[in-house]
Amino acid sequence: EAGVTQFPSHSVIEKGQTVTLRCDPISGHDNLYWYRRVMGKEIKFLLHFVKESKQDESGMPNNRFLAERTGGTYSTLKVQPAELEDSGVYFCASSHQDRRNYGYTFGSGTRLTVV
Amino acid sequence: LAKTTQPISMDSYEGQEVNITCSHNNIATNDYITWYQQFPSQGPRFIIQGYKTKVTNEVASLFIPADRKSSTLSLPRVSLSDTAVYYCLVVGSASKIIFGSGTRLSIRP
Repeated sequence: EAGVTQFPSHSVIEKGQTVTLRCDPISGHDNLYWYRRVMGKEIKFLLHFVKESKQDESGMPNNRFLAERTGGTYSTLKVQPAELEDSGVYFCASSHQDRRNYGYTFGSGTRLTVV
Repeated sequence: LAKTTQPISMDSYEGQEVNITCSHNNIATNDYITWYQQFPSQGPRFIIQGYKTKVTNEVASLFIPADRKSSTLSLPRVSLSDTAVYYCLVVGSASKIIFGSGTRLSIRP
């Protein structure tokens, strides 16, 4: 099966601009997660979708971040306006409903640089 | 969510067996333990998971004592390509998994 796909792999934008990251989960995976790693820090949870519904968005840093998953398939994470501290690697992961037995599959991440 | 503690870094040589121990003193009854591997510029990759005793797959073994307050990931006969960061995670009923700092494993020739 195809893995979790993230696009773009790299993005360099200026402070104040808008960037949209996309994640295509494994087909049939209802659970979709966004994580991010800021340089030098640990990987941090951002939010969790179950199909098209936000199950847990406790990790979203502020209202400049907007995640959507229309139709319960792919997801987008928009940062508007971007700030310097938003630079980092954004990972997407998906899992089967029975995540205990099937685990989480991560994408390769989008490296965002805000200058 | 149970907090995990593991060594920041470890060094070993090709062909050796490497054991990485993780402590999770506050693990709950329904939680299970899972390990991920991450190479630079890639996302974390699932290695192995278990609830108790011993689990083995083609990549690694996972040893979990009866009290489940710790676990040990065992990598047999490591090679240079096993150089990576290894994360020990406790997964419960909550929707999210929490990453710690991981163990940076360096394999030398």
